[in-house]
Amino acid sequence: DAKTTQPNSMESNEEEPVHLPCNHSTISGTDYIHWYRQLPSQGPEYVIHGLTSNVNNRMASLAIAEDRKSSTLILHRATLRDAAVYYCILRDHDMRFGAGTRLTVKP
Amino acid sequence: GAVVSQHPSWVICKSGTSVKIECRSLDFQATTMFWYRQFPKQSLMLMATSNEGSKATYEQGVEKDKFLINHASLTLSTLTVTSAHPEDSSFYICSATLAGGPDTQYFGPGTRLTVL
Repeated sequence: DAKTTQPNSMESNEEEPVHLPCNHSTISGTDYIHWYRQLPSQGPEYVIHGLTSNVNNRMASLAIAEDRKSSTLILHRATLRDAAVYYCILRDHDMRFGAGTRLTVKP
Repeated sequence: GAVVSQHPSWVICKSGTSVKIECRSLDFQATTMFWYRQFPKQSLMLMATSNEGSKATYEQGVEKDKFLINHASLTLSTLTVTSAHPEDSSFYICSATLAGGPDTQYFGPGTRLTVL
């Protein structure tokens, strides 16, 4: 199984950008990089995914390293509602979650 | 967007009873559904993967006779916790993959099970 490594926690100030890193040095050529987030007492929510090129959507941007061994989820302007646990996952045949990064947003 | 529902959202039961949790894809057909369990302050733990019309594939350490999974249609999967005990108390979450689409997972809101 391809594995991911993320920092346990990060803090950000409201209205500032947040860069959430993820290392996946054993990624295979066909693994998509998916990001999800989970608010307290809720199911995870899809954020973004990509394969090789950087991706943007209304929620976030995903920057993927050229060697694909790491990626960064970028929240351009953090809000209090972005406080959650963010999971970086390599989509192969199943969906095993790592510990994720708990993002705290300070007003 | 694709919506997944779970029912019930919470349930309290007595030890020794069985509890059924439903997972439905409301506006899409799901070829594969996943069941997770999450204990407080921990990450999601994959329990099993189920494909419509076939037997579920259970993760190592998950008892298939205790956690019965049925995936009878492309929009419904059920998880039955049989002879529940207090240690089975947890947050159970399902997810579904869009048939013929990318492998994005759409998650249900979760079911909080408390076994007394």
